[in-house]
Amino acid sequence: KAGVTQTPRYLIKTRGQQVTLSCSPISGHRSVSWYQQTPGQGLQFLFEYFSETQRNKGNFPGRFSGRQFSNSRSEMNVSTLELGDSALYLCASRSTGNTDTQYFGPGTRLTVL
Amino acid sequence: ILNVEQSPQSLHVQEGDSTNFTCSFPSSNFYALHWYRWETAKSPEALFVMTLNGDEKKKGRISATLNTKEGYSYLYIKGSQPEDSATYLCAFWGDSNYQLIWGAGTKLIIKP
Repeated sequence: KAGVTQTPRYLIKTRGQQVTLSCSPISGHRSVSWYQQTPGQGLQFLFEYFSETQRNKGNFPGRFSGRQFSNSRSEMNVSTLELGDSALYLCASRSTGNTDTQYFGPGTRLTVL
Repeated sequence: ILNVEQSPQSLHVQEGDSTNFTCSFPSSNFYALHWYRWETAKSPEALFVMTLNGDEKKKGRISATLNTKEGYSYLYIKGSQPEDSATYLCAFWGDSNYQLIWGAGTKLIIKP
């Protein structure tokens, strides 16, 4: 099976712009979670999508949004970018159960100038 | 607020030595505890998913134990090798939340 893929891998934007990141889960996985990782911080949960519905949301401002398509692919959007949004954004997919392993993509490194 | 703590934050270990570190999590509403290894420039990779009190899992030289009643898990690495250098993350899944709560990780550096 192909692993989780994320595009693009690297992105440079300026403050005030918006960005859309994409994640394709492992075939058959219906859950996609998004995380933000900044230097010195652990993985910060953004949100999880399951069968096109947002199932849970972390403590991030409304500028961060996402969606999931019928083929389980997911996108994450950040509007009005701020310098502090510079981070590695990881997505992870899993099958359905809470004990199922999450499989991570390679991440998108976003730099906001 | 659910909190997962890992200690130590970082660890330098001589090649060949054994080591261990800790993950502390809420002892109530436990559902599962995950361990991941995150090597530099790679994606986090799952090591173990543990669900039962007293569970012990092993993968090569790495093993983990689980105590859900007191809310901790230990990860052990026997005979550390340079390729073990990574950040080790644990994540807690309670039975009332739909997200993994992650610790900040233990950064392990193996000195040759």
